[in-house]
Amino acid sequence: AQTVTQSQPEMSVQEAETVTLSCTYDTSESDYYLFWYKQPPSRQMILVIRQEAYKQQNATENRFSVNFQKAAKSFSLKISDSQLGDAAMYFCAYRTGGRQGAQKLVFGQGTRLTINP
Amino acid sequence: DTEVTQTPKHLVMGMTNKKSLKCEQHMGHRAMYWYKQKAKKPPELMFVYSYEKLSINESVPSRFSPECPNSSLLNLHLHALQPEDSALYLCASSQGGLTNEKLFFGSGTQLSVL
Repeated sequence: AQTVTQSQPEMSVQEAETVTLSCTYDTSESDYYLFWYKQPPSRQMILVIRQEAYKQQNATENRFSVNFQKAAKSFSLKISDSQLGDAAMYFCAYRTGGRQGAQKLVFGQGTRLTINP
Repeated sequence: DTEVTQTPKHLVMGMTNKKSLKCEQHMGHRAMYWYKQKAKKPPELMFVYSYEKLSINESVPSRFSPECPNSSLLNLHLHALQPEDSALYLCASSQGGLTNEKLFFGSGTQLSVL
């Protein structure tokens, strides 16, 4: 079974600074997808960024980027120019690839990010 | 419209009650999901409907009964729940169940079982 580990229960950063959230995963599969979701106090889960395992290029979405190290099974999220609205719980997630139909998302335990003004 | 709407936002029920949670989306998505989230924990998958058919049941107790009357609507019927079932119940949808596609989540129903 696949597992996702987030070793940082809490992180904090000064507004406008850069922060990196860590995620490692364990799988024997070669085809899969990785995601970062954020959950603000509104409780709604929002997709931040996603990465296909077969792509070597790291995904980027505006101020958010990932460092995907497939051999090391590492998938960290970098947030640049942190803003107060980035404060949330961040979940790393894994999804099996290569098949049609709905597949299960496996989430890590989450990292609570606080932005200090 | 890129929203997944869940009602009610909060629900308090006794262990002998019967209640239902409702989830609606109008994005034309054909996959819909129920997740359960305990406080300070990640969401855990309960059920997945793909093209209105139940495709994944994560060994959920029968006191939870999902229903997908049409492609826009997903219900979760609750009966004889236990206090440990108190949690945030999140609904999500996605376009067609492909593995790389984005899930759109609702804001959840906070359930308390007394």
